[in-house]
Amino acid sequence: DAGVIQSPRHEVTEMGQEVTLRCKPISGHDYLFWYRQTMMRGLELLIYFNNNVPIDDSGMPEDRFSAKMPNASFSTLKIQPSEPRDSAVYFCASSLAGTTDTQYFGPGTRLTVL
Amino acid sequence: AQKITQTQPGMFVQEKEAVTLDCTYDTSDQSYGLFWYKQPSSGEMIFLIYQGSYDEQNATEGRYSLNFQKARKSANLVISASQLGDSAMYFCAMREGSGGSNYKLTFGKGTLLTVNP
Repeated sequence: DAGVIQSPRHEVTEMGQEVTLRCKPISGHDYLFWYRQTMMRGLELLIYFNNNVPIDDSGMPEDRFSAKMPNASFSTLKIQPSEPRDSAVYFCASSLAGTTDTQYFGPGTRLTVL
Repeated sequence: AQKITQTQPGMFVQEKEAVTLDCTYDTSDQSYGLFWYKQPSSGEMIFLIYQGSYDEQNATEGRYSLNFQKARKSANLVISASQLGDSAMYFCAMREGSGGSNYKLTFGKGTLLTVNP
């Protein structure tokens, strides 16, 4: 079975530009999570969805960040305008509600904002 | 207070030996889940093993086992017969509440394991 798919794997952009990160969860999973990883702050949960509905976006750093999940197989995380401090690795993860709720991560997108 | 504490920033082990990576947690919930993930230098996060708070047996997955000591609130990862490919960052994580009720994971800062030939 295919795992979580993220694109692009690497993104380099200039400050002020819009950035869109994409995620395809594991088929059949009903939860989708967006994380950010930096050396300073470690892994932070930004937002998560259940059945395409945003449940908790308290981790979204500011209004420049937005996330959507238009259907069960696709989600985007958008940053507009981007800033150098947004440079990080962004992970998407998915899980199936049940006993363990194990989250399976995608390969991540390494974002560099110049 | 940190909810997940990994006190070993770095660990070294000789190939074929066993190694224990420490993890302590803090929660007032009776029901919770503990996870270990591996992050090699390539960057992906790989799920290794899960332990539920009500599980009476320590979880095992191949060469990985979780030494769960509930009273001490510790959930140490034991890797037996280390291999060079085990060199990676290892993260301990906790989900508070029972499965199906809460989906947030809190991660520790990680332990960098280096396996020497």
